[in-house]
Amino acid sequence: GEDVEQSLFLSVREGDSSVINCTYTDSSSTYLYWYKQEPGAGLQLLTYIFSNMDMKQDQRLTVLLNKKDKHLSLRIADTQTGDSAIYFCAEGGGYQKVTFGIGTKLQVIP
Amino acid sequence: DTEVTQTPKHLVMGMTNKKSLKCEQHMGHRAMYWYKQKAKKPPELMFVYSYEKLSINESVPSRFSPECPNSSLLNLHLHALQPEDSALYLCASSLQGALSSGNTIYFGEGSWLTVV
Repeated sequence: GEDVEQSLFLSVREGDSSVINCTYTDSSSTYLYWYKQEPGAGLQLLTYIFSNMDMKQDQRLTVLLNKKDKHLSLRIADTQTGDSAIYFCAEGGGYQKVTFGIGTKLQVIP
Repeated sequence: DTEVTQTPKHLVMGMTNKKSLKCEQHMGHRAMYWYKQKAKKPPELMFVYSYEKLSINESVPSRFSPECPNSSLLNLHLHALQPEDSALYLCASSLQGALSSGNTIYFGEGSWLTVV
């Protein structure tokens, strides 16, 4: 079955870059997503990447995909206190089904 | 507008109550989803509707009953719930019924459900 793994916690200083890593197991994944969840809120789609891409950049966000190693990363440049949240990696594998990782809690220290 | 609207935001219900969660989107999306998220856990898929028909039921207990009255609306009817059903219930939608180009999934803010 599908499995998505990510570390539980990351702490960075304001202004530094954050890199959140994720590994997945389903090689048939079509999409790989990053969602952000702030306390008490729903999921905000940050970005996604097609499985045939290596990299996608969107303002401060850079997504890198290593399909061979099934490794996905999200880099946030110039991290701000407003970036503090839980970041979920997710893969769109089978028909309509998205599998989420456990979420990485990003703490930004002023 | 990439908005999925859920009501109510908070709901407290007794184990004998009947209540409903509602979800609405006006993006012309043809697939709608219910996810359940327990504290400090990732969201878990419950149901998927595609073109107003139930296409996936992830072995959800019958005390949860989904309904899709039209392509913009999705309801989740709740009856005889247990305290362990307390969670954040997230609605989502995507443009097409199957994973294909541009078929990203957009989530609502969720409905916080507490069963007492």
